[in-house]
Amino acid sequence: GAGVSQSPSNKVTEKGKDVELRCDPISGHTALYWYRQSLGQGLEFLIYFQGNSAPDKSGLPSDRFSAERTGGSVSTLTIQRTQQEDSAVYLCASSPDREETQYFGPGTRLLVL
Amino acid sequence: GQNIDQPTEMTATEGAIVQINCTYQTSGFNGLFWYQQHAGEAPTFLSYNVLDGLEEKGRFSSFLSRSKGYSYLLLKELQMKDSASYLCAVRDRGTGGFKTIFGAGTRLFVKA
Repeated sequence: GAGVSQSPSNKVTEKGKDVELRCDPISGHTALYWYRQSLGQGLEFLIYFQGNSAPDKSGLPSDRFSAERTGGSVSTLTIQRTQQEDSAVYLCASSPDREETQYFGPGTRLLVL
Repeated sequence: GQNIDQPTEMTATEGAIVQINCTYQTSGFNGLFWYQQHAGEAPTFLSYNVLDGLEEKGRFSSFLSRSKGYSYLLLKELQMKDSASYLCAVRDRGTGGFKTIFGAGTRLFVKA
């Protein structure tokens, strides 16, 4: 079946602009995660959605970052007033209920000029 | 808080065996994962341990000791295609539910 998809695959923006990154999880997966990965670094946890529960936003680096998940499926990560340090690969992952393995999307490579 | 440590880089020879160690500190341990990530690609799942002991899956094995906060990933009969980053990740149960924390990864270089 289809895996996790993300769009756009690449995004170049100017400092100060807002960007929206989209994640389509695997159908039926109840858990959805957003991570950020800078060049040569590990994955930095951003936010976690599980079913209808309130999301775990503890990893969001500032109030410029927000995310929502509509209808328990598609998720959008929004970065307002982008800064150059926001440049990174943003990875989305999903997992089925009661299963531990996360399935990652291909990521969105964001470059803030 | 949570903390995961693994070596930054390792080099090994094709056909050999390599062991990548991971130590962790967490308050609500609920499982440890190993993921493989080739350059420019997304991570892919390798193994999951929640009980102590060794889990073997083909050329790859993963070991866990919960009392020591320690895991290793063992790669046998190394191939050039095994050159990648290997990410250790711990699932932690907090007040808000489960969260998976990733280490910085170990870059493995396999040489001929």
